[in-house]
Amino acid sequence: AQSVTQLDSHVSVSEGTPVLLRCNYSSSYSPSLFWYVQHPNKGLQLLLKYTSAATLVKGINGFEAEFKKSETSFHLTKPSAHMSDAAEYFCVVSPWGFQKLVFGTGTRLLVSP
Amino acid sequence: GAVVSQHPSWVICKSGTSVKIECRSLDFQATTMFWYRQFPKQSLMLMATSNEGSKATYEQGVEKDKFLINHASLTLSTLTVTSAHPEDSSFYICSAREVAGVLYNEQFFGPGTRLTVL
Repeated sequence: AQSVTQLDSHVSVSEGTPVLLRCNYSSSYSPSLFWYVQHPNKGLQLLLKYTSAATLVKGINGFEAEFKKSETSFHLTKPSAHMSDAAEYFCVVSPWGFQKLVFGTGTRLLVSP
Repeated sequence: GAVVSQHPSWVICKSGTSVKIECRSLDFQATTMFWYRQFPKQSLMLMATSNEGSKATYEQGVEKDKFLINHASLTLSTLTVTSAHPEDSSFYICSAREVAGVLYNEQFFGPGTRLTVL
């Protein structure tokens, strides 16, 4: 079975400082991993995805994530937070075939001036 | 490209009535559409997977007679909440996956529909 654990329910940073959102996964197969962002009362937007190519994945808006098989992790980072980054972030795992997405519980990113 | 719309964006209904939510892929054909439910400040839970022209596959614990899903075309899927009750109040989100091509490996999400049952 596949699952993801987002280690922090809330992360607070100041504008201009680095962002780290942690995610660990469990998968019986070679997984595909995703990070989605959800702004209040909005749908989900794909930030980036890992599909067994390069382990360092670059996404939109300056975000990137590194797939570490030995640590079963897929942490999301950004060098410098912007106020507009404040949102809910979901780490998602999917077995090969992309039929089902399994969502983590989400991490709310708060960005202060 | 790859836009998914949902209608309505929000709806309030009385207990016991039925509500239909539409999910449309605007610029691509979606063989498969997914319906999710999200409670306040919680994650998304997959309710069902629908393939065009066939019956939907429901996740364990989801009542198929209560949440009717129809995927009659490659661009439209509907979710009908029958005899709605206050506990059905939630944020319902659909996603769609393209038939083939460059978009095949990704699900595209609609903006969601907030249902409030009084």
